[in-house]
Amino acid sequence: DVKVTQSSRYLVKRTGEKVFLECVQDMDHENMFWYRQDPGLGLRLIYFSYDVKMKEKGDIPEGYSVSREKKERFSLILESASTNQTSMYLCASTEALAGNQETQYFGPGTRLLVL
Amino acid sequence: QQQVKQSPQSLIVQKGGIPIINCAYENTAFDYFPWYQQFPGKGPALLIAIRPDVSEKKEGRFTISFNKSAKQFSLHIMDSQPGDSATYFCAASRGATRNAGKSTFGDGTTLTVKP
Repeated sequence: DVKVTQSSRYLVKRTGEKVFLECVQDMDHENMFWYRQDPGLGLRLIYFSYDVKMKEKGDIPEGYSVSREKKERFSLILESASTNQTSMYLCASTEALAGNQETQYFGPGTRLLVL
Repeated sequence: QQQVKQSPQSLIVQKGGIPIINCAYENTAFDYFPWYQQFPGKGPALLIAIRPDVSEKKEGRFTISFNKSAKQFSLHIMDSQPGDSATYFCAASRGATRNAGKSTFGDGTTLTVKP
């Protein structure tokens, strides 16, 4: 079974703090993604990465950055947390093989509260 | 620009009922249409998926109906059970590109099945 783990289930941070969210997958997937999930807004893509050190902006990258130094690990960074970044953050990964790359495997999520 | 529109936002049915969730897409390049199921406190997980070369796919009590000309697809849950209570997301993606794992999600439908 594919396993995607996220470093924290719950986080409480102060406005202005730098926040790191870590994601690790154990299936050697090439593609990794960060989403935020808000009620009524579905899943919105923040950033994705299709290879080590490669990244592309998603739909809502403002206020976020990412790092992928190793294939299995994809980090989301909030440089200076703000209250409007209070949300559920979901990491996902997919294979790169043709025909298998569309299914997203999600982690359990990190619920972040910024005070 | 929302490329996948999902309705309804919430749905309540009695046990044994047949909830139907609908999605409409705009981009005709999409060629993979999955549904994800998310229980509270968990990340979404793939439930069932369809490609546009078929009009229907059934897995157990879950059926996807696909109408390529109308650019619509829907999820039907036969003989619904309280354990089916969850949030359901439709999604769409393109398979044969570097961004193949990049899915566009609907806003989600919260389903409640009453005993």
